[in-house]
Amino acid sequence: TQLLEQSPQFLSIQEGENLTVYCNSSSVFSSLQWYRQEPGEGPVLLVTVVTGGEVKKLKRLTFQFGDARKDSSLHITAAQPGDTGLYLCAGSISNFGNEKLTFGTGTRLTIIP
Amino acid sequence: ETGVTQSPTHLIKTRGQQVTLRCSSQSGHNTVSWYQQALGQGPQFIFQYYREEENGRGNFPPRFSGLQFPNYSSELNVNALELDDSALYLCASSTWTSGIDEQYFGPGTRLTVT
Repeated sequence: TQLLEQSPQFLSIQEGENLTVYCNSSSVFSSLQWYRQEPGEGPVLLVTVVTGGEVKKLKRLTFQFGDARKDSSLHITAAQPGDTGLYLCAGSISNFGNEKLTFGTGTRLTIIP
Repeated sequence: ETGVTQSPTHLIKTRGQQVTLRCSSQSGHNTVSWYQQALGQGPQFIFQYYREEENGRGNFPPRFSGLQFPNYSSELNVNALELDDSALYLCASSTWTSGIDEQYFGPGTRLTVT
């Protein structure tokens, strides 16, 4: 059973447009991570958010952790073809260390040049 | 690159056979986690090893087993392979610092069971 639901599942937009991907859960997470995965490769860690309401920026990517630590969003400004990939959110429930990551269902993003 | 390596890259096995997948963790990391990623889905946690001991297990049957060695590298063994075991198998290494367990993934092993 997936505890993390991502939306949309698929997104195809033109280069230069903005977009937001959502990650929602009924569970509270001690931390949440966002990954990007390209075909034939493992997920690459983009960011970790820990505090409710936290906002982190990575160039054109803005990540936000919900106040209740149950949801998160990823906003991309002026999308570029290099942003194409599978975006995965993953939550950790325990803050005592070495806990499993629960992954979301993923959002497959395609940026059209 | 994360410094996490996996071997082999691809593997084809027949139903009923056994397979061993290998993972070398990033330098300085003492924890290895294994995940199964079916096509079109997010990774599913199989189990985690910390200092050579199993430290948590997901919803996978006992025919999925593992080992971690003193150098923190790890193996995933799957016995009595089934068609549904076809997937990308990912390992991730991590070390717990400042209350956060950030995991760094290898490129994966693509297993096909026929």
